Amino acid sequence: SQQGEEDPQALSIQEGENATMNCSYKTSINNLQWYRQNSGRGLVHLILIRSNEREKHSGRLRVTLDTSKKSSSLLITASRAADTASYFCATDPIYNQGGKLIFGQGTELSVKP
Amino acid sequence: DTGVSQNPRHKITKRGQNVTFRCDPISEHNRLYWYRQTLGQGPEFLTYFQNEAQLEKSRLLSDRFSAERPKGSFSTLEIQRTEQGDSAMYLCASSDRARTGGWGYGYTFGSGTRLTVV
Repeated sequence: SQQGEEDPQALSIQEGENATMNCSYKTSINNLQWYRQNSGRGLVHLILIRSNEREKHSGRLRVTLDTSKKSSSLLITASRAADTASYFCATDPIYNQGGKLIFGQGTELSVKP
Repeated sequence: DTGVSQNPRHKITKRGQNVTFRCDPISEHNRLYWYRQTLGQGPEFLTYFQNEAQLEKSRLLSDRFSAERPKGSFSTLEIQRTEQGDSAMYLCASSDRARTGGWGYGYTFGSGTRLTVV
């Protein structure tokens, strides 16, 4: 079963606007990761946030993690048409010894020029 | 190219036929994962290897599925007697996570093999 649930399922914005995607999960985790997938392609790792971290930045990406609420958010600032893709959160559960990631169903982001 | 390579990119097969996919991970990575993804869904875990040892298999991996990673290098995923429900994108990923538990590392994914069973 999927560990993460993402919200919204689809998001459409104009170029230059910010995009926020949320992820909720069920069990305690070692870390949470965000991936991007362009249509018909593999996933690309964007950012990893560890369970003892609350916020992390990478370029135009900002990720927050609230372990008490078992939730995370991904903010993309000043979006570009090239950011159009599906975004997935993935958790590394604390019970998991193999590094197996559990993915959510994703948020489909459309950035209109 | 030092990324994860998957072959073929696309495979169309008739129901009942056997198919085999190949994954070449990043050479320094000791862990290799197979995932399956259907349209509109996130990837679902199938199995993973640490070096040549297959350490975990999902319940999704029925008896018709088998995976190998001889010598801890490339991996193959075989599906026997394919069914229409096997149509999906099969993704391979590798990581260099050196220890269990702990802080973790991101995966590097291949571009996937899209299987269509007709």
